[in-house]
Amino acid sequence: GAVVSQHPSWVICKSGTSVKIECRSLDFQATTMFWYRQFPKQSLMLMATSNEGSKATYEQGVEKDKFLINHASLTLSTLTVTSAHPEDSSFYICSASNPDSVRGPLEAQHFGDGTRLSIL
Amino acid sequence: AQTVTQSQPEMSVQEAETVTLSCTYDTSENNYYLFWYKQPPSRQMILVIRQEAYKQQNATENRFSVNFQKAAKSFSLKISDSQLGDTAMYFCAFLSTSYDKVIFGPGTSLSVIP
Repeated sequence: GAVVSQHPSWVICKSGTSVKIECRSLDFQATTMFWYRQFPKQSLMLMATSNEGSKATYEQGVEKDKFLINHASLTLSTLTVTSAHPEDSSFYICSASNPDSVRGPLEAQHFGDGTRLSIL
Repeated sequence: AQTVTQSQPEMSVQEAETVTLSCTYDTSENNYYLFWYKQPPSRQMILVIRQEAYKQQNATENRFSVNFQKAAKSFSLKISDSQLGDTAMYFCAFLSTSYDKVIFGPGTSLSVIP
């Protein structure tokens, strides 16, 4: 089945550092990828929709300059947390949909395994 | 705007018993898609079951089945013969036909007790 790879799985860094998280669709081309943030014991909060070859669409309240999203190819989207601070510590998850699936939207989204970001 | 509600923050069930998790949603659309996702402690998101709104027949996947009541906008998940491995967070999710984004409910933490 379709697989989405997310890297790194865990990163610890100092405050002020910029951190890049990669999301790759391994066996299908994803024109759209999604980035979520999840706090402990809470639901997934959609941060932005990443569209290949165009600017990302951010949800209300998400800082575009803080969370830079690039979707340069049909298999790769990156999320860069710029000048990260302790309050940015969270679990970040990406997902991708396979537009060519014969099941259409019912194919649902394929999730990466997530990235645990800890800012000291 | 669509919303998804899960009124049970936490639930527990004895091993081998049956448990039902509730989910309600709000939408003005007539056709859409509904999902249940499982998130174990590893935090990996696992698709449990899916349902197309225009299909009246309730979806079933082995021990997992749903009770889809379109008029009531209800989409509950029934887990039969609960197993220890079913312990996880369960999220109900909604996807519109515009296929732009998936909206998740707040989740239900399920604990299966030996």
